[in-house]
Amino acid sequence: AQTVTQSQPEMSVQEAETVTLSCTYDTSENNYYLFWYKQPPSRQMILVIRQEAYKQQNATENRFSVNFQKAAKSFSLKISDSQLGDTAMYFCAFMEDSGGGADGLTFGKGTHLIIQP
Amino acid sequence: GAGVSQSPRYKVAKRGQDVALRCDPISGHVSLFWYQQALGQGPEFLTYFQNEAQLDKSGLPSDRFFAERPEGSVSTLKIQRTQQEDSAVYLCASSLALGALYEQYFGPGTRLTVT
Repeated sequence: AQTVTQSQPEMSVQEAETVTLSCTYDTSENNYYLFWYKQPPSRQMILVIRQEAYKQQNATENRFSVNFQKAAKSFSLKISDSQLGDTAMYFCAFMEDSGGGADGLTFGKGTHLIIQP
Repeated sequence: GAGVSQSPRYKVAKRGQDVALRCDPISGHVSLFWYQQALGQGPEFLTYFQNEAQLDKSGLPSDRFFAERPEGSVSTLKIQRTQQEDSAVYLCASSLALGALYEQYFGPGTRLTVT
């Protein structure tokens, strides 16, 4: 079974700063996907960024980028020029690539990110 | 277009009561997932459907939990004889098709409180 670990329960940074959220995972699979989801106080989960394990290039989406270290099983999220609207719970998640099938997402416990004005 | 909707948004049940939670996926989405999110935790996978077929129910915590999607659209998660440990937010997600390439879109959740 896969596990996802987020070791930072809460982080707080000033607006416009850069912040990095950590995530490690454990799997015996070689083909999989990793995700970062954002859950604002309204509770609707939103996909922030996705990384395919077979891709060496780190994914980026505007101010969001990841540092994917497959050998170390590490998948951190960097948020540049942080904004007040980035305040939310952030969840790291894993999904095995079972060739068109799906086993659902395995989530970490989350990191509560607070952006201070 | 409309996103995933769930109803009710809040449900209070007395221990031992049966509850039914509804999920309306995005129109045309083949896959539908249910997750349980306990307070202060990440969501945990319960079950998923491809159209009307329930392909995996390994995450359902007990035989008191039952999910259905009879016409391949709306899904209902039913919990019989609710217990206090069932208190959680139940999240539904849908995707265009199965596979990690297809983004899962989440609903706002139903917060269930068992007293």
